[in-house]
Amino acid sequence: GQQVMQIPQYQHVQEGEDFTTYCNSSTTLSNIQWYKQRPGGHPVFLIQLVKSGEVKKQKRLTFQFGEAKKNSSLHITATQTTDVGTYFCADNTYSGAGSYQLTFGKGTKLSVIP
Amino acid sequence: DAGVTQSPTHLIKTRGQQVTLRCSPKSGHDTVSWYQQALGQGPQFIFQYYEEEERQRGNFPDRFSGHQFPNYSSELNVNALLLGDSALYLCASSQGRGYYTGELFFGEGSRLTVL
Repeated sequence: GQQVMQIPQYQHVQEGEDFTTYCNSSTTLSNIQWYKQRPGGHPVFLIQLVKSGEVKKQKRLTFQFGEAKKNSSLHITATQTTDVGTYFCADNTYSGAGSYQLTFGKGTKLSVIP
Repeated sequence: DAGVTQSPTHLIKTRGQQVTLRCSPKSGHDTVSWYQQALGQGPQFIFQYYEEEERQRGNFPDRFSGHQFPNYSSELNVNALLLGDSALYLCASSQGRGYYTGELFFGEGSRLTVL
């Protein structure tokens, strides 16, 4: 899998503020997945983006895949305390011999101040 | 419908020992992947099993080995433990016919501490 860089590493927001995390790659991504991991929990799948320029929404969450398929973003509108956790992007790239491999970024840890 | 189950949840070992972690995939899933997650880091891919064979392997030494059984459950074995092996070990299952990694369903993980 390719190396994906996530920024920022940490983000502290006041409840009600918006939040955005970015995922960047130096090479073209086949598709990208996003996961959320609550403190002390395990990663939970949020979404997969496949097409160039794709935009998907899940309630207050908006996911975008760049036109060149080298970057992606997750935007949360009006954060709530339930949004607390670490958000990971993961590159799902063909790695040869008919197989794909999921490579995770280091994540963005979101804290929401009530 | 049971999700991915892992055992044990926590364990403490000393350097040089060996450990075996176990995973039962979500019902209907045939592919199991193992990840190592150090504190504050993203999950790092160890290997993936399908049809009882290792299909993909990440950048981990041979001390890390695994097995998949006919019922799709899997084990992760780590020999000659090092302090740096302390981490959360996550098992993830999918129904990707062993090749395409679709949505992963993770277990709660096994927290390994090496002293």
